Amino acid sequence: GQQVQQSPASLVLQEGENAELQCNFSSTATRLQWFYQRPGGSLVSLLSNPSGTKHTGRLTSTTVTKERRGSLHISSSQITDSGTYLCAMGRNTGANTGKLTFGHGTILRVHP
Amino acid sequence: SVLLYQKPNRDICQSGTSLKIQCVADSQVVSMFWYQQFQEQSLMLMATANEGSEATYESGFTKDKFPISRPNLTFSTLTVNNARPGDSSIYFCSSRDWGQYEQYFGPGTRLTVL
Repeated sequence: GQQVQQSPASLVLQEGENAELQCNFSSTATRLQWFYQRPGGSLVSLLSNPSGTKHTGRLTSTTVTKERRGSLHISSSQITDSGTYLCAMGRNTGANTGKLTFGHGTILRVHP
Repeated sequence: SVLLYQKPNRDICQSGTSLKIQCVADSQVVSMFWYQQFQEQSLMLMATANEGSEATYESGFTKDKFPISRPNLTFSTLTVNNARPGDSSIYFCSSRDWGQYEQYFGPGTRLTVL
């Protein structure tokens, strides 16, 4: 079945440092979506892009579909960025439209 | 975008009982999805629910254990039958705008089975 691998599993930064989170997927995807999971469990959608680069605030998502990889760059990290970042791949056509396969996440801790 | 609401936020129940989790969308959506997440694990897709038809279940999930209803384009209910401690997890409903690349999730329902 489809698999999504995230790395690193955990990351510790000092406030102000940049973070680079990686996501590799085992089959062709037509979209990659990044989520932030709050400690209470709720999910926040961060960025979704089928390919190329997309920015929002301090976040940059880059997806290279042909190479089955994506990344999330967090610039100038803040303490409030601490939490779990999930990568999910999906398809927009065929029987699997709308289904997402999730990675296990990267736990980010930002210290002052 | 689509806003999804779930009820209850959390529940604690005894083994052997059944409970319902409701999901409401603020606009009509074609498909609703239900995901399960065990503590410190990834989210797993349980089933896909379209209006007026039986839900399609992923491997490891059955209609008898997790019946899903989808009576209209804004509502879905997931039932957990004969709940066991191993069912303790967070349950999320999800949907997307047709043609959009972004998927939306409800806030989740944290279930604890004693």
